[in-house]
Amino acid sequence: GQQVMQIPQYQHVQEGEDFTTYCNSSTTLSNIQWYKQRPGGHPVFLIQLVKSGEVKKQKRLTFQFGEAKKNSSLHITATQTTDVGTYFCAALPGTYKYIFGTGTRLKVLA
Amino acid sequence: DVKVTQSSRYLVKRTGEKVFLECVQDMDHENMFWYRQDPGLGLRLIYFSYDVKMKEKGDIPEGYSVSREKKERFSLILESASTNQTSMYLCASSLRAGEAGWKFFGPGTRLTVL
Repeated sequence: GQQVMQIPQYQHVQEGEDFTTYCNSSTTLSNIQWYKQRPGGHPVFLIQLVKSGEVKKQKRLTFQFGEAKKNSSLHITATQTTDVGTYFCAALPGTYKYIFGTGTRLKVLA
Repeated sequence: DVKVTQSSRYLVKRTGEKVFLECVQDMDHENMFWYRQDPGLGLRLIYFSYDVKMKEKGDIPEGYSVSREKKERFSLILESASTNQTSMYLCASSLRAGEAGWKFFGPGTRLTVL
């Protein structure tokens, strides 16, 4: 079946360092969404990317959708302790059902 | 603000028991979903519903059933709970399916089956 690979599975960074998580699909995607789940919490929608090569920013977070619409990345500049959590991508390979990646758990060391 | 609530945060049941997990959303969303979340496996879709009394199987429906009698309520049923169904269960709703359907999640129910 269709799969969405997300790497890395875990990442520990020192506060102030940058962080990137990648989401890769074997098939072309209609769009991709990103969610953040704080420890003990539930996933919260961050953003949706639709167009090939699209780049969107939310403060220190930069989201990219690949030119071929098969991969995406989330980059955090100068991480803070509030960035701790698990980041999930959710990919739409067709028009109806999203597939969630396995998530990247980010730990920020103060 | 959209609110998705789940009936319990924590639940402990015994093998063989029938278990009901309830989910209610207050924003008149068409679509509702049940996921389970396990370490290293991410979120896996169990069932979803795009309308009252309509349901579709997700990726891992075995051992589960669902009920949607009212638009705001979506129930997940474990007919005979087993230990491999110990997990975090997340309910979600979205206004539209497909390309515009970003999800609002409930707080989750951590189910332990002994």
